[in-house]
Parts: sequence; structure tokens; C-alpha cells
Amino acid sequence: AQSVTQPDIHITVSEGASLELRCNYSYGATPYLFWYVQSPGQGLQLLLKYFSGDTLVQGIKGFEAEFKRSQSSFNLRKPSVHWSDAAEYFCAVGARIGSSNTGKLIFGQGTTLQVKP
Amino acid sequence: EAGVTQSPTHLIKTRGQQVTLRCSPISGHTSVYWYQQALGLGLQFLLWYDEGEERNRGNFPPRFSGRQFPNYSSELNVNALELEDSALYLCASSKGQGLLNTEAFFGQGTRLTVV
Repeated sequence: AQSVTQPDIHITVSEGASLELRCNYSYGATPYLFWYVQSPGQGLQLLLKYFSGDTLVQGIKGFEAEFKRSQSSFNLRKPSVHWSDAAEYFCAVGARIGSSNTGKLIFGQGTTLQVKP
Repeated sequence: EAGVTQSPTHLIKTRGQQVTLRCSPISGHTSVYWYQQALGLGLQFLLWYDEGEERNRGNFPPRFSGRQFPNYSSELNVNALELEDSALYLCASSKGQGLLNTEAFFGQGTRLTVV
């Protein structure tokens, strides 16, 4: 079954420190992968996506993610965290049945990021 | 360019009532998706509409239904509300048919509280 795991429920980092949020997926074919961010009481904002090609993808707000097929991972990174980055982060995979699109995103449980001043 | 807009932003309903949530996609997007984000249950896929047709639905009872209009806006209807329907309902839209090589953009959500 297709699934996404975010092993860290909660992470705290100091402002200015580097950040890595982990995401592991279970998927038979090349996945479509996404990272979204959600501020309290708000909707989801797309940070970046991977469909194919270069395995290191750049997103908005200084975020990047690296697709590693051998590790089934798509970890999100940022070299220097700002207080405004405090939010909940979701990794997601676009689910397909064979080559058929289901229109469904399978989300991880999310990682809450707290930033210490 | 306007993003995905949802209305209302908040509402409170009584158990057993019916509710309709509305969503306007980004201009040019034909696919609309609905998700439920309930406390402790994460983001769960509800429905996918494209070109006015229901293309897929998640593992929800039939009292969750919806439709997509010719202008691609969408409604989500929930009948016979139960307490556990309390959640943030998120609508998203994308170009083309679903999520093949394209991304979904989400609205701010409708917070439904059932009492």
C-alpha cells in the first residue's frame, strides 16, 4: 500500500540553525512528492514538488528537498531557520493505481516545527 | 491572481443537520479536491471532481457528497452530521486531470464544528 511516514512529530530548533524534516514513502513506481506547510488555522501552502529529473529540488522560502530513491526518502531542508518558519509541515505523495491517476494525495501525519529565539 | 477560496470560514451545526461548503478554484483549474483534517486523524482525501464529474472518492460514507458546476466551482454536502464530522475541510484545485505532473493548491479551509 502507498504510504508516507514522517518520523518526527515535533521538532524544536533555534533560530538561525539548520533544519531537516524527514519523510519516507512507500510506493512502487516513481512517486510524485510534495511538501506543504500549514500555519495554525490556515490552509496548506505548497513549498516544493518532485516529479522527475534533478533529485534536488528548490522551493519557496529558502527550502529544498532531496529525493533519494534508494532510501525512499524526500527530506526537507533549510540552512537557516527563521522564527516565521514555525508551523506544521506535511509530506505527501500523489497516489496512482498503476499508471492511472487517482487525484489523491496521501499525506504524512505532519511535523510541528517550533523555533526558539 | 486569486487563490482557492472557500466559504464560509467557520460554521457551527447541530448533530443531525445538513451542511454545504463551497469552493472556488483558481482560474484555469478544472480539478477540485476535498480533504478532511480532523484532530488526530490527519489529512484524509474525500473527493475529486474534474470537468463536472466525480472521478474518485475516499473512504467516507455516502452522506458525504458533492458536485462540480460548469464554472468548476464545487460544493461539499454533508448530511446527518455527527460529532466526529467536526474538522477543517480543505478544498484544493489543480490544472488538468488530477495530479499527473501538476500540483494542487489549497484554500484556507472551512472550520466545521458539530455540537
